[in-house]
Amino acid sequence: EAGVTQFPSHSVIEKGQTVTLRCDPISGHDNLYWYRRVMGKEIKFLLHFVKESKQDESGMPNNRFLAERTGGTYSTLKVQPAELEDSGVYFCASSGLVRSYNSPLHFGNGTRLTVT
Amino acid sequence: QQPVQSPQAVILREGEDAVINCSSSKALYSVHWYRQKHGEAPVFLMILLKGGEQKGHDKISASFNEKKQQSSLYLTASQLSYSGTYFCGTAGAAGNKLTFGGGTRVLVKP
Repeated sequence: EAGVTQFPSHSVIEKGQTVTLRCDPISGHDNLYWYRRVMGKEIKFLLHFVKESKQDESGMPNNRFLAERTGGTYSTLKVQPAELEDSGVYFCASSGLVRSYNSPLHFGNGTRLTVT
Repeated sequence: QQPVQSPQAVILREGEDAVINCSSSKALYSVHWYRQKHGEAPVFLMILLKGGEQKGHDKISASFNEKKQQSSLYLTASQLSYSGTYFCGTAGAAGNKLTFGGGTRVLVKP
């Protein structure tokens, strides 16, 4: 079974530019999560999809961030325009069960975003 | 509210033991533990549900005290492969998302 894949693995952009991150979850996993880890800090929740619907987007920092999940398959996270504080590692995770309390999360390797 | 992990970092010699703690100010339904090696994806270790059970994964085990809203991860007879950053993730009854602690960096030296 293929794992969660994320693209690109690294991205360096200038402040004000746009970047789009992509995540392909494990096939059949309805739940898809985006998390972000800023240098040395906690892995912080951004949002949760169930299939193509946004279940919880309470962690999205502001309206410069836009997440979509087309047809309940892959997801994209767009940052437009990027700011310096957006730098960090963006992780995508998927799980097969609705309730995360009893379902392991399968993480991708992350996208390291650097905004200069 | 994110859970609090302690210690922030620990250095061990191969074969030594360590304990990592995870505390929450909110009522918990479950605690997850993950390990991340540098540049890699966090990898699931175990889930502990309400009931105070103890689980094990190789020589890594964990306990969950839901009354105290705490979990502890025990690294026994540590191996070089145990090095990495350990994260606890907590979920309440709604269980829709995990909230992660700040991580504990573990370095096991020969």
